[in-house]
Parts: sequence; structure tokens; C-alpha cells
Amino acid sequence: EVQLVESGGGLVQPGGSLRLSCAPSGFTFSSYAISWVRQAPGKGLEWVSGIVGSGARTYYADTVKGRFTISRDNSENTLSLQMNSLRAEDTAVYYCARAVEDSGYSFDSWGQGTLVTVSS
Amino acid sequence: SYEVTQPPSVSVSPGQTASITCSGDKLGDKYVCWYQQKAGQPPVLVIYQDTKRPSGIPERFSGSNSGNTATLTISGTQAMDEADYYCQAWDISTAVFGGGTQLTVL
Repeated sequence: EVQLVESGGGLVQPGGSLRLSCAPSGFTFSSYAISWVRQAPGKGLEWVSGIVGSGARTYYADTVKGRFTISRDNSENTLSLQMNSLRAEDTAVYYCARAVEDSGYSFDSWGQGTLVTVSS
Repeated sequence: SYEVTQPPSVSVSPGQTASITCSGDKLGDKYVCWYQQKAGQPPVLVIYQDTKRPSGIPERFSGSNSGNTATLTISGTQAMDEADYYCQAWDISTAVFGGGTQLTVL
């Protein structure tokens, strides 16, 4: 069974940093691109960042470019999102999601999400 | 930046057909997928590559995409289909989500 489990969320002050992790299981991690997608309370889905299976290429939404860094360690089966200079508008549930190339890079599996709250 | 637009809400009677649209410039040139999200749960993929259903998704869910509009159609809508629905496409290397449509089954 494919599973993705996020961790690392919590309360952080504006300007602070937080590192999210995503632990995959049930599939060959290195064969899949993974993205982070967030959802602010009561709002819609917003794509944040993505990384290809090899880790060689990364992509970011304009809203987080220069502040967030996505990375992966395929030998350790881990995915991370380093979030710096956090703002109140970054408050959201953060999901990691697997993208399947054969299905046009649709997100076929999602974690349960981890809540990030940016507040003083 | 590329944008896709959905109606905020759609209502349907049980057993009837619900149609949810997603509009964007030349959207028909891109692959569109659709996600269902129920309260407190992560999204679930219901349609990918415009028209394809993942295993386990009921046949009453179907999709189309042409011109500037993609449509998710739910035939014989059931109470369990009440949820938020999001369309999504890729623009270069950026995933773009619609604002979501709340489907109410009255």
C-alpha cells in the first residue's frame, strides 16, 4: 500500500524557520516526483514545490521561491521542505503528494498533512 | 501566471447529473485532473489525463476537456459525492489548482 506520512509541523513565529518531512512507503521512492501542496484554513489547494525522482530538478511557486527549499534523499527514503522567513500567510496544512508520470503527473497519493501555524 | 477558474458552488439533486467546470486559456491543450476532498481529509484523485478514472473510482465520474473548458461530470449523483472538487493542470513546471467547487447534494 502506498503511504506518505508528513511530520514537522507546528507553531512558529513570523520570520522563523521550520523543516517538514515526508516519509514514503509501499513504492520505489526514487522513481517518482513528489510535490508539496498546502491548504490554508478554509481555503483551496495551492501547489508549493516539486522535485523530480532523481532530485536533480526542483520547482517552486512564486509565493515561496527564495524562502523554501525542497530536497530528497533517495538512499534514506526521505523528502524534506525547509521553510525560512515564514509569514502569516504560510499558515496551512502541508501535504506531500506523489506525481505519476504515466498519468500526466497527476497526484495519485497524498499524505494526511501536517499543520503549520505562523503566529506571534 | 496561468490560472484556472471554477464556480464556487454547484447544487444537484440525488440521482441527477452534476457538472463542474474548469476554465483557462487554451486549457484543452493541457492535461487536466480532478480531485475530490471531503472535510478533514486529503484530496483523492478522481480523474486524470482529462478522461481517465483511477482504479476504485466509480464509473459515474467522468471528465472532458476541450477548448478553454474542462468538465467533471458525476452521473447519478449520490449523497456520498458531496465534497469539494478541484481541477488541476500543469503550466510548464508549475501545478495550477482551481479555486475549488463545493458540490451540494440536496
